[in-house]
Amino acid sequence: DTEVTQTPKHLVMGMTNKKSLKCEQHMGHRAMYWYKQKAKKPPELMFVYSYEKLSINESVPSRFSPECPNSSLLNLHLHALQPEDSALYLCASSQAPRSRGSYEQYFGPGTRLTVT
Amino acid sequence: RKEVEQDPGPFNVPEGATVAFNCTYSNSASQSFFWYRQDCRKEPKLLMSVYSSGNEDGRFTAQLNRASQYISLLIRDSKLSDSATYLCVVTSGTGNQFYFGTGTSLTVIP
Repeated sequence: DTEVTQTPKHLVMGMTNKKSLKCEQHMGHRAMYWYKQKAKKPPELMFVYSYEKLSINESVPSRFSPECPNSSLLNLHLHALQPEDSALYLCASSQAPRSRGSYEQYFGPGTRLTVT
Repeated sequence: RKEVEQDPGPFNVPEGATVAFNCTYSNSASQSFFWYRQDCRKEPKLLMSVYSSGNEDGRFTAQLNRASQYISLLIRDSKLSDSATYLCVVTSGTGNQFYFGTGTSLTVIP
């Protein structure tokens, strides 16, 4: 089973709202990722968690706050977003990188976020 | 300089044609390489990993040239269902970051 699930599928929120995106995997992967993807662009890395610890934050604004409660779950808390934050937010997981290479990532279906 | 450069296309080819995509990467320490396929409004799906010796999966062949720092994907006997965006992915030297090319759009025409 190579499934990564994400909820909700769609989210519309105002600029003053607080919401959370959720991601779950049961493949025993110890690395999890958040990406942001705008139309006709490749995914842009936001955060990487490795063994439930934040290992990479790609200079993401503080209005995005990640959380990894356990090895299967990854959340992205959203607060005071801007209309330009509207995008597809993708979660991915992989086995943790090894000394001589990386394992493939598996993506969830994404949450399509619209900020009004 | 971008980590990964990829020709965005679009490539419009007839059914049955052979088409090839290339990506170049800038970090000689990169260790892992992948091709993903992304359909419109869907998530990227792993197509194949790319190994130093080259690898084949049915109609798809991936190659890695470390000396010239590029990877390629060859699709033979194109099907209508191959129409998608193809993304090359290269990892960092430490392996914990994945860099995506801009994607190449392929449309297979009946």
